[in-house]
Amino acid sequence: DSGVTQTPKHLITATGQRVTLRCSPRSGDLSVYWYQQSLDQGLQFLIHYYNGEERAKGNILERFSAQQFPDLHSELNLSSLELGDSALYFCASSVTQGRAFFGQGTRLTVV
Amino acid sequence: SQELEQSPQSLIVQEGKNLTINCTSSKTLYGLYWYKQKYGEGLIFLMMLQKGGEEKSHEKITAKLDEKKQQSSLHITASQPSHAGIYLCGADDNQGAQKLVFGQGTRLTINP
Repeated sequence: DSGVTQTPKHLITATGQRVTLRCSPRSGDLSVYWYQQSLDQGLQFLIHYYNGEERAKGNILERFSAQQFPDLHSELNLSSLELGDSALYFCASSVTQGRAFFGQGTRLTVV
Repeated sequence: SQELEQSPQSLIVQEGKNLTINCTSSKTLYGLYWYKQKYGEGLIFLMMLQKGGEEKSHEKITAKLDEKKQQSSLHITASQPSHAGIYLCGADDNQGAQKLVFGQGTRLTINP
């Protein structure tokens, strides 16, 4: 158990809908990273938050947004969902830059 | 931004054999991480290498960092079925943007 909790584990939704993925980092970790993993794209960095502030953005679509709350949990919002958004979404947390601990992921299926 | 290329993309070896996975960076490596992933599950941290020439071992897995070649290698000795999975190398984006980026992964299959 990495100490990083992601909910829900599985999510099935229709095209055009909006979903929210939640991540609770390890106790004391200030950094939260979000990743998308699909078969043909590998593990793609989406966004990094540190203590409530956005630190870095990857190739995150405009339809996607994230935030980190004062209690350090983070949410990834995906809207206007398309079939191609089906993927595993991971969050990871770390104390600072360095070793990151990953959650078990949320498997999103868009139908 | 930094890109990591892993080779091979997939590897099938006989149980008991040794194997090596390589990770090459497009830019200078200041720190490199190796993770293992079972299909559809989260990533498990294996090792972190921070200095050129550094070598670390954990059980039968050894990783080295060659700073000059901007490359890291992961070596497994006497492979076992439990070693099967996807191995990913990751690195901090050295432009200071604090991105933790990963290679495409190497899928390792161990045949009994």
